[in-house]
Amino acid sequence: GAVVSQHPSRVICKSGTSVKIECRSLDFQATTMFWYRQFPKQSLMLMATSNEGSKATYEQGVEKDKFLINHASLTLSTLTVTSAHPEDSSFYICSAKYRESYEQYFGPGTRLTVT
Amino acid sequence: GQQLNQSPQSMFIQEGEDVSMNCTSSSIFNTWLWYKQDPGEGPVLLIALYKAGELTSNGRLTAQFGITRKDSFLNISASIPSDVGIYFCAGRDRGSTLGRLYFGRGTQLTVWP
Repeated sequence: GAVVSQHPSRVICKSGTSVKIECRSLDFQATTMFWYRQFPKQSLMLMATSNEGSKATYEQGVEKDKFLINHASLTLSTLTVTSAHPEDSSFYICSAKYRESYEQYFGPGTRLTVT
Repeated sequence: GQQLNQSPQSMFIQEGEDVSMNCTSSSIFNTWLWYKQDPGEGPVLLIALYKAGELTSNGRLTAQFGITRKDSFLNISASIPSDVGIYFCAGRDRGSTLGRLYFGRGTQLTVWP
């Protein structure tokens, strides 16, 4: 149980374009989803927290107009990197939790490369 | 934000040896979690701890929630090559909203055959 998927697993895009990453909880209803960014050999950096049906809460320093998050249902959250630039290249990972639990279950991650 | 100190940063051990790593926080935590991350993958939950003093095992892994509620450790017994990876501690403090977790910097484990 508690399986989270992400799509795509890898994406290469040109500078200035937008990229959408999907995060799905496959066997449970995720009341809260989290989006992280991870640089090589570093820990996970929380970008934002989203609750189903409400606006995402962004961490300090994360541009909400650049990283658009939509949590439209209890099983799907999307992260859109708008007007991507090479410095946005990174490993993006989502996680999900259900209401009664504090355990976060992670997706397999999305490797974004902006050329 | 919350600071978690995880040590050691890296470990190089021989197959069959036991491993111990720990994590400390600057404030009281209500939940401690341990994750393992393989290269290019998302972290996988290993053990979750909810009570001070709690000792929980998952196969060869054992983790404890410290009595002071400001620390936790993870032990791996009789290590095998597939234990290689990065281990992260994570915790939730009393002020955490929406279940936000704070993460340690990770312990990179290398196991020699």
